[in-house]
Amino acid sequence: QSALTQPASVSGSPGQSITISCTGSDNDVRTYNLVSWYQQFPGKAPKLLIYEVSERPSGVSSRFSGSKFDNTASLTISGLQAEDEADYYCSSYTITGTLVFGRGTQVTV
Amino acid sequence: QLQLQESGPGLVKPSETLSLTCTVSGGSISRYYWTWVRQAPGRGLEWIGYFHYSGVTKYNPSLESRVIMSVDTSKTHLSLSLTSVTAADTAIYYCAKGEADSYGLGYYMDVWGEGTTVTVSS
Repeated sequence: QSALTQPASVSGSPGQSITISCTGSDNDVRTYNLVSWYQQFPGKAPKLLIYEVSERPSGVSSRFSGSKFDNTASLTISGLQAEDEADYYCSSYTITGTLVFGRGTQVTV
Repeated sequence: QLQLQESGPGLVKPSETLSLTCTVSGGSISRYYWTWVRQAPGRGLEWIGYFHYSGVTKYNPSLESRVIMSVDTSKTHLSLSLTSVTAADTAIYYCAKGEADSYGLGYYMDVWGEGTTVTVSS
């Protein structure tokens, strides 16, 4: 299974909004509304930010939002803050019943 | 509050079998998709597979021939075995709890352990 495509890095200034894309295929992102996003700080375990494309778990800031169009899912961080500097990964359910991750995006504030 | 803690040997020789344990506390194993994910040094996340409490397993096709996941009879520990390891298996290994999605198809990982580092070297 091929990894989902994410930009290697995205940067923004404090207060701005940034969007991270996650491009898949007919076998995953396009077909299923089962995209999740994870935030990972250096040396730490990933943390769930978004599930089922746009759902936020309890406790996750409303500054994080998710969407999907066609075969590309997106994570938007609004009101960017220094504490948002981290790596971000998308994942999707696939037609074979497995999960696949994106290669990750490093966010710089 | 459910917590996960991975443990393992730290160092494994090439061609040997890697065995890891994930201890589940504060909750029951008898639900969920129990998942292993790994991260090679400086690399992204790689989904290894899951063990569903019903006994169903699903593995990454690239690792399927070498992976076995199970739950011990006390139902407090998850296990991962990876055979014939090479340097490419050097990574941090995470266990995670998978919550079923509302479509009844897959799941998402909402609780993670802190990970355990495994180095494959002679």
